[in-house]
Amino acid sequence: GESVGLHLPTLSVQEGDNSIINCAYSNSASDYFIWYKQESGKGPQFIIDIRSNMDKRQGQRVTVLLNKTVKHLSLQIAATQPGDSAVYFCAERSHNQGGKLIFGQGTELSVKP
Amino acid sequence: NAGVMQNPRHLVRRRGQEARLRCSPMKGHSHVYWYRQLPEEGLKFMVYLQKENIIDESGMPKERFSAEFPKEGPSILRIQQVVRGDSAAYFCASSPPRGANYGYTFGSGTRLTVV
Repeated sequence: GESVGLHLPTLSVQEGDNSIINCAYSNSASDYFIWYKQESGKGPQFIIDIRSNMDKRQGQRVTVLLNKTVKHLSLQIAATQPGDSAVYFCAERSHNQGGKLIFGQGTELSVKP
Repeated sequence: NAGVMQNPRHLVRRRGQEARLRCSPMKGHSHVYWYRQLPEEGLKFMVYLQKENIIDESGMPKERFSAEFPKEGPSILRIQQVVRGDSAAYFCASSPPRGANYGYTFGSGTRLTVV
């Protein structure tokens, strides 16, 4: 079957440290991946995406790495700030499943000042 | 350019009543997706619509749930005869006409509470 899951349900980091959030997926047909941030009471907010023909993509303070060999996705946040505290979800889309996204369970990131 | 608009933000219904959730996509977006989120869980896909067409409803419960995206007006997710288990946050996302190849913008959600 298909699934997108996260290795760690919670992550606590010190302000200023780097954070790494991991995600495993099982559908080898997935061709597009997105990381979302969700704050309490709000909708998911797009952070960064990556297509399967890439293995790395960088944004502002964030980097997404894709390892198709082991079906692993990670989100790296540099110099984590208190405002980064939220739940982070990875999502995948498979070209053989139309346009829907399949979400993982989520990792709660807590940043200590 | 307003984002994806969902209303109401909060909805309370008694068991057996009907719930109607509305979603207006971003300007220029013609693809709409509905997701349900239970507390402490991820988002579960429900249905994918384009104007006047249901593309994928594989995540919709077989009974009581329906969705539409008319030519004019917002997309509607309708839940008939609500039960306590329907209590959840319902999120709508939209994407542009090239939708399947691009990211999705989410609304702030409707939090449904069934009492």
